Amino acid sequence: QVQLVQSGAEVKRPGASVKVSCKASGYTFIDYVIHWVRQAPGQGLEWMGWINPNTGGTSSAQKFQGRVTMTRDTSNNTAYMELSRLISDDTAVYYCARKLTISGWVLIDYWGQGTLVIVSS
Amino acid sequence: AIQMTQSPSSLSASVGDRVTITCRASQGIRKDLGWYQQKPGKAPKLLIYAASTLQSGVPSRFSGSGSGTDFTLTISSLQPEDLATYYCLQDYNYPYTFGQGTKLEIK
Repeated sequence: QVQLVQSGAEVKRPGASVKVSCKASGYTFIDYVIHWVRQAPGQGLEWMGWINPNTGGTSSAQKFQGRVTMTRDTSNNTAYMELSRLISDDTAVYYCARKLTISGWVLIDYWGQGTLVIVSS
Repeated sequence: AIQMTQSPSSLSASVGDRVTITCRASQGIRKDLGWYQQKPGKAPKLLIYAASTLQSGVPSRFSGSGSGTDFTLTISSLQPEDLATYYCLQDYNYPYTFGQGTKLEIK
């Protein structure tokens, strides 16, 4: 069965970086784009960007450009999202999710369990 | 970026009620819209894609409609397990954008 398993919670100081991992299983990792979405406490969902595990190509929301780096390790079927220069507003649960395309239609069909990142001095 | 305006932000309904949530896009997005359900402390779950196609395994009481700028998620007969927050997501172009969410409470 398809699974996305994320790394554990992190506590970081302002100005630091955090790297969240997302290990895929149950499907061919390089065949599906991985998206990253975050959710601040009590708030809605915010789309951050995507990585194509096959090519390594990425795209991110303008808000995060220059601060977010998305990478992958195809030998370990794992995607990574690193966010730098953290501020308190980056405190959130970070999700990875798989994008499936059926007949041109997009489905974000499987999600990781989420990784809580707390930014606090 | 395309703005998604979702309403209402919250609603309270009784078991068996028919519930409707709407999303309006700031520009036409064809039918490139999904609906997601998020239960407290859990990751979102896909309910509907392509505006009206029910994801496999999702109960048939959920349905979606619309195209262009106006979309609707309907729960035909509310069940206790439908307690959740619901989000629309436009996947017409990047950056993808979510609606603000609708928190559904059971009376």
